[in-house]
Amino acid sequence: GQQVMQIPQYQHVQEGEDFTTYCNSSTTLSNIQWYKQRPGGHPVFLIQLVKSGEVKKQKRLTFQFGEAKKNSSLHITATQTTDVGTYFCAGPSYSGAGSYQLTFGKGTKLSVIP
Amino acid sequence: NAGVTQTPKFQVLKTGQSMTLQCAQDMNHEYMSWYRQDPGMGLRLIHYSVGAGITDQGEVPNGYNVSRSTTEDFPLRLLSAAPSQTSVYFCASSYGAGSGNPYEQYFGPGTRLTVT
Repeated sequence: GQQVMQIPQYQHVQEGEDFTTYCNSSTTLSNIQWYKQRPGGHPVFLIQLVKSGEVKKQKRLTFQFGEAKKNSSLHITATQTTDVGTYFCAGPSYSGAGSYQLTFGKGTKLSVIP
Repeated sequence: NAGVTQTPKFQVLKTGQSMTLQCAQDMNHEYMSWYRQDPGMGLRLIHYSVGAGITDQGEVPNGYNVSRSTTEDFPLRLLSAAPSQTSVYFCASSYGAGSGNPYEQYFGPGTRLTVT
């Protein structure tokens, strides 16, 4: 079945440093979603990328979808303590009209040292 | 709107006991799903449903049953709890898929289950 791999598993950064997490799929994806989970919380949707080579920005967060639609990245510029949490990517696999499964990567846990 | 609600928040079970984790959403979402989250394992799909009366298995369905009699509710049943089912369980819902692309998932607050 489809596999979605994320690296690194953990990242510790000083506040103000940049952070990047990478997501790679074993199959071509029609789209990819990113989620953030704060410590003790539940995953919250950040963004969806659909087009090959797409780049989207949300303030200090930049999301990219690879040209081959098999990889994606999330880059945070000048991290803040509010960025602490685990970041997940997720890609769909389809099993019929309107029926799909979302496969999540194992996530990258970001710690920010003030 | 309350969004996605889950009960209970915490539960301790003995091996062999059964229980039902409740999940409800008030957003009229067609698609609902159950995930379990274990340290270092990310979110793994247990079962999902694309609408009332329709359910299907995900990546890790063994030991769990689901049914979807209404659009709003999607309970998860543990038939005979085992220590390997100790985990945090999240229910999620979405509008489904538009133009072939899944809509964003809304997650509930989770149920932390311990099986001794």
